[in-house]
Amino acid sequence: AAGVIQSPRHLIKEKRETATLKCYPIPRHDTVYWYQQGPGQDPQFLISFYEKMQSDKGSIPDRFSAQQFSDYHSELNMSSLELGDSALYFCASSPRDLAEYEQYFGPGTRLTVT
Amino acid sequence: DQQVKQNSPSLSVQEGRISILNCDYTNSMFDYFLWYKKYPAEGPTFLISISSIKDKNEDGRFTVFLNKSAKHLSLHIVPSQPGDSAVYFCAAPTGNQFYFGTGTSLTVIP
Repeated sequence: AAGVIQSPRHLIKEKRETATLKCYPIPRHDTVYWYQQGPGQDPQFLISFYEKMQSDKGSIPDRFSAQQFSDYHSELNMSSLELGDSALYFCASSPRDLAEYEQYFGPGTRLTVT
Repeated sequence: DQQVKQNSPSLSVQEGRISILNCDYTNSMFDYFLWYKKYPAEGPTFLISISSIKDKNEDGRFTVFLNKSAKHLSLHIVPSQPGDSAVYFCAAPTGNQFYFGTGTSLTVIP
């Protein structure tokens, strides 16, 4: 069965650069969530989308933006990268609108900012 | 492919009783497991973990059991309290990857 796909799997950027992370949800899943997990920390909720509209916003910095496209894939755009942005970024998708459970997590994108 | 599975999307338990949340995994290389608790619009919060060298880890009202031969772990909460109502995820980190289950929504009824 298809799972949530995140690309790239690893990304190395320098300070002040930009990065774009992509998430491809499981087919027919219309809800996407983004999380950021710093070293030794719990995943922090960033933002979520349902049917291409932002549905909830967490601790997402103003330097970050995200959107969900007509094919339901989502992109997290990160600008003016800082060292503290180094983290594992998870995307999760859900087949239920705004469901907090039954979230299928992707394997994560490891972002390293140098 | 879901390498970590939680087959019960929801569970309801009376206050004071035991809650048992189950998790199965397919990858025998997993050697460390975590349970997270999650509230709506928040990230999962670490609850308890277990290493594959142990078959039980206890922290207050929370106990995690690991059955390596069955590739199964469970989280026991006793006694259950209304404040325990949340979604619980099991997860297995390996290298640079992190595999989460799909979550079980626990409701503790007062």
